[in-house]
Amino acid sequence: KAGVTQTPRYLIKTRGQQVTLSCSPISGHRSVSWYQQTPGQGLQFLFEYFSETQRNKGNFPGRFSGRQFSNSRSEMNVSTLELGDSALYLCASKSTSGSFHEQFFGPGTRLTVL
Amino acid sequence: AQKVTQAQTEISVVEKEDVTLDCVYETRDTTYYLFWYKQPPSGELVFLIRRNSFDEQNEISGRYSWNFQKSTSSFNFTITASQVVDSAVYFCALSEANSGYALNFGKGTSLLVTP
Repeated sequence: KAGVTQTPRYLIKTRGQQVTLSCSPISGHRSVSWYQQTPGQGLQFLFEYFSETQRNKGNFPGRFSGRQFSNSRSEMNVSTLELGDSALYLCASKSTSGSFHEQFFGPGTRLTVL
Repeated sequence: AQKVTQAQTEISVVEKEDVTLDCVYETRDTTYYLFWYKQPPSGELVFLIRRNSFDEQNEISGRYSWNFQKSTSSFNFTITASQVVDSAVYFCALSEANSGYALNFGKGTSLLVTP
């Protein structure tokens, strides 16, 4: 079974631009969560999507948004990029939206904002 | 407030030494889940173990073992006979109902195993 895939793996943008990141979960998994990892703040939860609906949201500004498609693939969008948005963005999938199942992470997208 | 505390920022050991990574958590939920993940230099988080709040049994998997103690709100991770390949950052995480079961991570412990 293929793991979680994320594209692109690396991205360089400039302040003010917007960016879209993509995540394909493990086949059969319907829940996709996004996390941001920075040296200062560590790993922080952005949001979770399940069956095309946002089920949970972390404490991030509205510039961060996401969506999920009928095939469970998810995209995350960041508008009006700031230098502080430079981070590793990790996507995780699990088979249900419940707590019982562990989340499997993708390799991440490393975003650099100049 | 930090809900998961990993007090050890960096640990360095020589190969074959045993090493314990500490994790202390804080929650008011009676049902919660605790996790350990490993993050090698490649960046991907690798799932190691999940424990629910009702299961305090210690677990051993090869050279890895976990000690879950609700009385002290701790979920410590021990690597026996460490190897160079164990070098990575290790994260402890808490998942609880009042946060929609999102993973709340500690700051991580960077483990360096030298030959």
